Order: sequence, then structure tokens, then C-alpha cells
Amino acid sequence: RKEVEQDPGPFNVPEGATVAFNCTYSNSASQSFFWYRQDCRKEPKLLMSVYSSGNEDGRFTAQLNRASQYISLLIRDSKLSDSATYLCVVIYNTNAGKSTFGDGTTLTVKP
Amino acid sequence: EPEVTQTPSHQVTQMGQEVILRCVPISNHLYFYWYRQILGQKVEFLVSFYNNEISEKSEIFDDQFSVERPDGSNFTLKIRSTKLEDSAMYFCASSEGAANTGELFFGEGSRLTVL
Repeated sequence: RKEVEQDPGPFNVPEGATVAFNCTYSNSASQSFFWYRQDCRKEPKLLMSVYSSGNEDGRFTAQLNRASQYISLLIRDSKLSDSATYLCVVIYNTNAGKSTFGDGTTLTVKP
Repeated sequence: EPEVTQTPSHQVTQMGQEVILRCVPISNHLYFYWYRQILGQKVEFLVSFYNNEISEKSEIFDDQFSVERPDGSNFTLKIRSTKLEDSAMYFCASSEGAANTGELFFGEGSRLTVL
């Protein structure tokens, strides 16, 4: 089983749609969770951290379910500029230097 | 806005040759990392570096890899004898605190092609 597993995608949605991505992790000792965004052939950039209580940043909402070991990202009112690959990142507390990335889920928003 | 810079942006080398990839992390950051991404695959952790020593490394980071912070600004990744399978994009990253406390800032990457 992969350490971090994401929805395989790709997701193709019209502008204005709401889309949700899921990510599961295998190690219950996981401590910190993030969503990064990667545009084609570019470096990953932090989209948002994921907190136990859930957090929202504009059109983006991240949720964490420790009992089921998954995190989610919800994007409301999709824009063309949201087209990218979304990377789920998990860090185990004992490996504070190592971030484990999921394979990524690709989103294409169409006019 | 401060950024992580990497050189070269693209390097082509023959199998068996040594390669050094260079990175200048953000100046007040204390933690430094190398990741790689083979084309079409996921981002993979190689190594983290703090207080002038390696703090974590992955199974990928074997004896042919080494890292160094030769001065106060550069952070380098050396591959001693490149193999075809080392062809990938190599990303340097830095962070103010440990990776589990906040954002990793990535450079634009160095694409390595081994022939």
C-alpha cells in the first residue's frame, strides 16, 4: 500500500463547478498535512496547510479525518487558473525532515 | 519576494560522469532539502539538511549522492557517477522551521538528462 494515495484523476470540470479531491495516508503517526499545487513542469507551491479542525482559504477548504486517515480538498467556483496538479503531502512526526508526496491529482477546468 | 534559486536549469551529461547541482536557499531559512521528480511521476524526497548535517535521507539517497553547504549561501547536491535512471528534475527547497511546521519553498528545479 502506498504511504500517500490520492484520487487518480484526471478531473475535467466546467468553470464554476465544485470539485473535491481525497487523499489517504497509511501511517497513523502522521502529524502534518499540506496541499501543494504544481503547474506543468513547474515547482510545487504550497496551497494550504490542513488542520485538525479544518480550514478555509477563499474558495478552498481542507479537511482532515484522523480516524479514517484521509484529508480532502474542496474547490468551489472553479476558475480556469485552478487547472493544475494538486499534491497531497504528509509528514510523520518522527521524520520531521521528510515530506511524503502523493502522486497528485490533475484538474482541468474548461470554459 | 525571496526565492530559492537553482543552477543549472538544465544539464545534459554522459552516464558515469559526476554532476553537481547548486541551490541558493532563502537566506533566513535553516532547513534545506533535495527532492527529485522523474518525468510523469511523483515528487520524491531525497535528503534534508539542518545545522550542517543530514537529518533525514531516503532509500534513493545512496552512496553516489552527497550534499554540502560549502559556504553560507550555497547548498549542493553531487551525484558521483550518474546512471540513466538519475534523469529527473531535481528540486531544492528550504524552510524556516522543520518541514512539519510549515511551508517548503521550492526552487524552479534543475533538469538532469543522463545519456
